[in-house]
Amino acid sequence: GESVGLHLPTLSVQEGDNSIINCAYSNSASDYFIWYKQESGKGPQFIIDIRSNMDKRQGQRVTVLLNKTVKHLSLQIAATQPGDSAVYFCAENWGDYGQNFVFGPGTRLSVLP
Amino acid sequence: KAGVTQTPRYLIKTRGQQVTLSCSPISGHRSVSWYQQTPGQGLQFLFEYFSETQRNKGNFPGRFSGRQFSNSRSEMNVSTLELGDSALYLCASSLAGEQQSPLHFGNGTRLTVT
Repeated sequence: GESVGLHLPTLSVQEGDNSIINCAYSNSASDYFIWYKQESGKGPQFIIDIRSNMDKRQGQRVTVLLNKTVKHLSLQIAATQPGDSAVYFCAENWGDYGQNFVFGPGTRLSVLP
Repeated sequence: KAGVTQTPRYLIKTRGQQVTLSCSPISGHRSVSWYQQTPGQGLQFLFEYFSETQRNKGNFPGRFSGRQFSNSRSEMNVSTLELGDSALYLCASSLAGEQQSPLHFGNGTRLTVT
């Protein structure tokens, strides 16, 4: 499929290593954050979310860390696998309702054999 | 549960024409959002519909419009197409009651304007 982003920052990691993908979000009022994974030819796939009343949340092989002081979000993937190769986006949202998320530019994760 | 379904998968249109894209949300989801994805601009919010009403709107010209039906299915329309409208158009549904909830995306409609 067509490339999602032609000049995205790329993170290359060895299979089995841990990956850390970072995201600087824009709005200090943002109170809900999501990480998405997008593979070529597909729509973004939900990975994990976190609300602003938390600093950390864990899922299966993934952990999201939120630092509201510096408006920074990170996604940690443990024991990275070839199937993790994709573009990863963070998304932020604020307000009591409404689903108008603001997405980051994305990071391409490349897993080396 | 079936995921978000978007039709058609691919479209080729000529400048000046208009186009309608369709989206069927996940059963039970009342919110449908539309996003435009391009290599240069990334993912940009177009609009969101909830219970047949536009609840939020992004910063796109009036040529971009949408609607939602009583069964939550949604359509978006782009009139007077321009070359710059070439993009992947993504629909996402969510429960989105009183609290934010994750967007669940379809695989998109790839629109090419020539």
